[in-house]
Amino acid sequence: DVKVTQSSRYLVKRTGEKVFLECVQDMDHENMFWYRQDPGLGLRLIYFSYDVKMKEKGDIPEGYSVSREKKERFSLILESASTNQTSMYLCASSLRLAGAHEQYFGPGTRLTVT
Amino acid sequence: AQSVSQHNHHVILSEAASLELGCNYSYGGTVNLFWYVQYPGQHLQLLLKYFSGDPLVKGIKGFEAEFIKSKFSFNLRKPSVQWSDTAEYFCAVAHRGTYKYIFGTGTRLKVLA
Repeated sequence: DVKVTQSSRYLVKRTGEKVFLECVQDMDHENMFWYRQDPGLGLRLIYFSYDVKMKEKGDIPEGYSVSREKKERFSLILESASTNQTSMYLCASSLRLAGAHEQYFGPGTRLTVT
Repeated sequence: AQSVSQHNHHVILSEAASLELGCNYSYGGTVNLFWYVQYPGQHLQLLLKYFSGDPLVKGIKGFEAEFIKSKFSFNLRKPSVQWSDTAEYFCAVAHRGTYKYIFGTGTRLKVLA
C-alpha cells in the first residue's frame, strides 16, 4: 500500500517566516507533486518533480520553491510566508510510466500564516 | 487554456437517490481521466480512472463514469447514494506524455439520511 506522509497536519507561522513542508513517499515513485487546495478553487499545482534534483513549475509557483535531494522526499519551501499562503497543502506521488498515472496523496498540511 | 469544469459545486441528495456529477474538459489530444474523492477528514483517494478501452468505467463503492470523447465529458454516476458517500469529488485530466494534471474545482456532495 502506497503511503505518502507529510510532516505536519497543522502549522501556524508568522508573516515573513521561512516555512518548510516535508513530504515522504515509500513506494519508490519517480514523480512527486505539491498542490494547494482552497475552497472553490480545487487543487492547483505549485511544483512537481520527475526525478531527484529535477523540478518544474506548476500553475502557481510564485512565492514557493522546492527541493528534492532524495527520491522519496520532496520539500516545499515558503521563503517568506504571507497571509495569502494560508491554505491546505497536499503532496502527491505517482509512477513515471508512459503517460500520466494515478496520484497518491498525503493527508495534507493546513498552514495558517498570521 | 486547458481547463476542467465541474458544473455542480454543491449537491444535496437523499439516500437512495441517483447521482450524476458533470465533468467537462478542454484539452487537445489524448487524455487520461480520473475521479478522486475526499471523505471528511481523509486523504484524497482515487475513485476511478479511464486510460483507454471501454468508455464506461467502474470504480469503487458502486461508482461509474462514462467518457464521451465527442463531448469532452467524463461524468460520474451512482444509481443509489448512501449517507457514507458524503464527500468532495474532484475530476482530473492529464494529457498523455506529461506529468501535469488539471483538477476541477470540486463538487461537495451531501447525502441526507
